[in-house]
Parts: sequence; structure tokens; C-alpha cells
Amino acid sequence: GAVVSQHPSWVICKSGTSVKIECRSLDFQATTMFWYRQFPKQSLMLMATSNEGSKATYEQGVEKDKFLINHASLTLSTLTVTSAHPEDSSFYICSARFTYGYTFGSGTRLTVV
Amino acid sequence: QKEVEQDPGPLSVPEGAIVSLNCTYSNSAFQYFMWYRQYSRKGPELLMYTYSSGNKEDGRFTAQVDKSSKYISLFIRDSQPSDSATYLCAMTKGGGIQGAQKLVFGQGTRLTINP
Repeated sequence: GAVVSQHPSWVICKSGTSVKIECRSLDFQATTMFWYRQFPKQSLMLMATSNEGSKATYEQGVEKDKFLINHASLTLSTLTVTSAHPEDSSFYICSARFTYGYTFGSGTRLTVV
Repeated sequence: QKEVEQDPGPLSVPEGAIVSLNCTYSNSAFQYFMWYRQYSRKGPELLMYTYSSGNKEDGRFTAQVDKSSKYISLFIRDSQPSDSATYLCAMTKGGGIQGAQKLVFGQGTRLTINP
């Protein structure tokens, strides 16, 4: 139980284009979704917290206009990287709270060329 | 000083050994404690979830929490090569599902189990 399905698992896009990453909670309602970014051999860095039906709360230093988060339903949250540049290449992971902890998606590896 | 400290390793042990992973924290407001296993290029997988001092066992894994010392541990018995991964401790101050609060992570410990 408590599965978050994240898609796509990897994506390559051209510089200047936008990319959307989806996270769906399959068997529970995710009132709050957390979005992380992870660089190689480093721990997870929280980017933003989204609550269903509300605007996301971004961590200091994260550009809200570049990383658009939508949490329109209790089972779906999306992260859109707008006007992507090579420095946005990274591993993006979503997470949600359930009864017995926090569960994570499988991650999306974004490469901007 | 970081809120959560975890030795990044790397840690290398022979197959079958008992592995001990540890984290210390400075904020006494942390109430919920988790251990995750992360394989390369994958999302973290929840191993243990605890919220009280003491031990919790699940198969080959035992989580230990000492709130008075602000110290948590994860023990892996009969370690297997498939346990080779990065292990992350994580904790949060509270909040239920409706008011979920963010996790604070340790740096992660890279563990290798040698056959």
C-alpha cells in the first residue's frame, strides 16, 4: 500500500522547452505532496510543498516561476520545469505522507540538452 | 551545525555481518523517525517508521530510537549483497496526514555488502 506513481522515469528535452512530471497516489489520498531535487551522491533537497487546492510553498532559493507545481486533486500533483536549461538537469522525486510514514515516487531523471 | 548528522561512509562489510547505521539530531521537536534505502537512480524506499523511544523490529531490520540522547540507529542482520545501497535517516516534527510537515534528512550512508 501507499504507492506514489511517478512519470516519466526519465526525459531528455531541448534547452528552452518545458517538461511536466506527474505524481499520482494510487491507493491513498495525498493531501500534501513534497517535491525534491537530488544531485549525484547527495541527499534530497526539498524544493516545494504543495497542498491540494492551494498554492505551493517554495523553499528559499527555488524559483517558483521556473518550477510550477499544481496539486489540483488529492491523487495528482505535477511539477513543470519551464524554459529548462542544462543546469536544471537533475533527479526529481515526489513524496507524500501516509498513515505510516512518507512514501516516495521512483524519481524522474531530467536531462536538458 | 546541521539538524541531522549522519556519517556518509562509505561503509563496506562482508556478507552476513551485522550493520549498524546511526544518526544524531539536535532538535528535540522531532517526533517521527524513518529509515530509507535508496538504490542508485531510484526513489527512497521506506524501511522503518517509529515515533517512540525503544526498538522496533521488522525482519532483518531493527530501528532504535533514544530521544534522551537524540540518537537513532538502524541495524541490519545477516546482511546481503542486495542490501548494498545508500541509507537515509529522516525525521519530522509532527503533523498528521492533513498537516504533514517536511522531512529533514541525514546525508545518507553508502553501504556495500561484499559477497
